[in-house]
Amino acid sequence: AQSVTQPDIHITVSEGASLELRCNYSYGATPYLFWYVQSPGQGLQLLLKYFSGDTLVQGIKGFEAEFKRSQSSFNLRKPSVHWSDAAEYFCAVGASGGSYIPTFGRGTSLIVHP
Amino acid sequence: DTGVSQNPRHKITKRGQNVTFRCDPISEHNRLYWYRQTLGQGPEFLTYFQNEAQLEKSRLLSDRFSAERPKGSFSTLEIQRTEQGDSAMYLCASSLGSSGGDSYGYTFGSGTRLTVV
Repeated sequence: AQSVTQPDIHITVSEGASLELRCNYSYGATPYLFWYVQSPGQGLQLLLKYFSGDTLVQGIKGFEAEFKRSQSSFNLRKPSVHWSDAAEYFCAVGASGGSYIPTFGRGTSLIVHP
Repeated sequence: DTGVSQNPRHKITKRGQNVTFRCDPISEHNRLYWYRQTLGQGPEFLTYFQNEAQLEKSRLLSDRFSAERPKGSFSTLEIQRTEQGDSAMYLCASSLGSSGGDSYGYTFGSGTRLTVV
């Protein structure tokens, strides 16, 4: 069964600083990988996804993520954080075969200081 | 297309009452998912439809829960005899799946927040 670990429950950064949110997955074959963002009381918005090809994926809002098969990781990065980026971030893994049901991590809460 | 729509946005009910939520997916999406999210946790899978067929159900989906997707369009999730532990955000997502998987990503609705008092 697939699983996702987001080791950081909270991350605090200053506005303008760089950001990296960690995600490790467990899956036996090539995974589909996703990052979602959730603002308070809202649904989830897709930031970016990886399913094949270039391991560095560009997303919306200036985010990018790099798939590293050797480390089973899919970390999310942003070079300069804006106050509006404060939200909950979820990494998810979907199987490339089978029922394709994505499994989510518990999330990382991003706090941005002015 | 306005995305995935969920109604109601909020529902407060007394313990023991039945509740029903509705999800309208993106019209061309053939797959529909229900998730439950409690405070401080990621979404947990409940059930999944491909067109009108319910193909998978989680252990979390007790016999008090039932979901339907008649005609492969909108879906309803009903909870009978609600308990306080059912209080959560219920999220619906849809995707355009193919034999190669849902590589396009999953589009989520804004969710229905259920409070059982």
